Amino acid sequence: QVQLQESGPGLVKPSETLSLTCAVSGGSVSSGPYSWSWIRQPPGKALEWIGFIYSSGTTNINPSLRGRLSMSLDTSENQFSLHLTSVTAADTAVYYCAGGNYYLHFWGQGTLVTVSS
Amino acid sequence: EIVLTQSPATLSLSPGERATLSCRASQSVSRYLAWLQQRPGQAPRLLMSDASNRATGIPARFSGSGSGTDFTLTISSLEPEDVAVYYCQHLNTFGQGTKLEIK
Repeated sequence: QVQLQESGPGLVKPSETLSLTCAVSGGSVSSGPYSWSWIRQPPGKALEWIGFIYSSGTTNINPSLRGRLSMSLDTSENQFSLHLTSVTAADTAVYYCAGGNYYLHFWGQGTLVTVSS
Repeated sequence: EIVLTQSPATLSLSPGERATLSCRASQSVSRYLAWLQQRPGQAPRLLMSDASNRATGIPARFSGSGSGTDFTLTISSLEPEDVAVYYCQHLNTFGQGTKLEIK
């Protein structure tokens, strides 16, 4: 059974960069045809897709975040990462990592990131 | 960009009743639709893929149907643990969710 675990700071200052990592166990981030996704959920709101990265390293990013978002795979550590620059209060949310073969079969428990000075 | 519209926004039913949740896509998604369940304070989990295939460990009281633009998630007999928000999803798009309450 594949398990995912997010890690990163819970508090980020406005205009700074939000960096999160998702550690994968029970499976390999480099084995196809899985894709590895980031989803976020502002407090009390619906899920919002951020982007995903294929095992090949190809990414697909939410157009609303293009220019601020990058994602990467670290096959040596079996993890994938998100970097979101120039954050504002609107980026405050629970951030989930997820993965699967086309569908989101596996989810992390989520991590709350608050953007505040 | 495909938009997914879920109805109703909130559903309040008694234990043992049948729940019917709807998801409508702004254009055809064939059968490439998933249903997710998010219990209070928990991460979402996959219930259904390809519109009607139950994910591993999902009870048989959950069923999905539909294709093209109209999809339904049915819970045949509600249990207290079914209290959750249910989302439909296609690729990079989520619906706004249906909140299921048990009376």
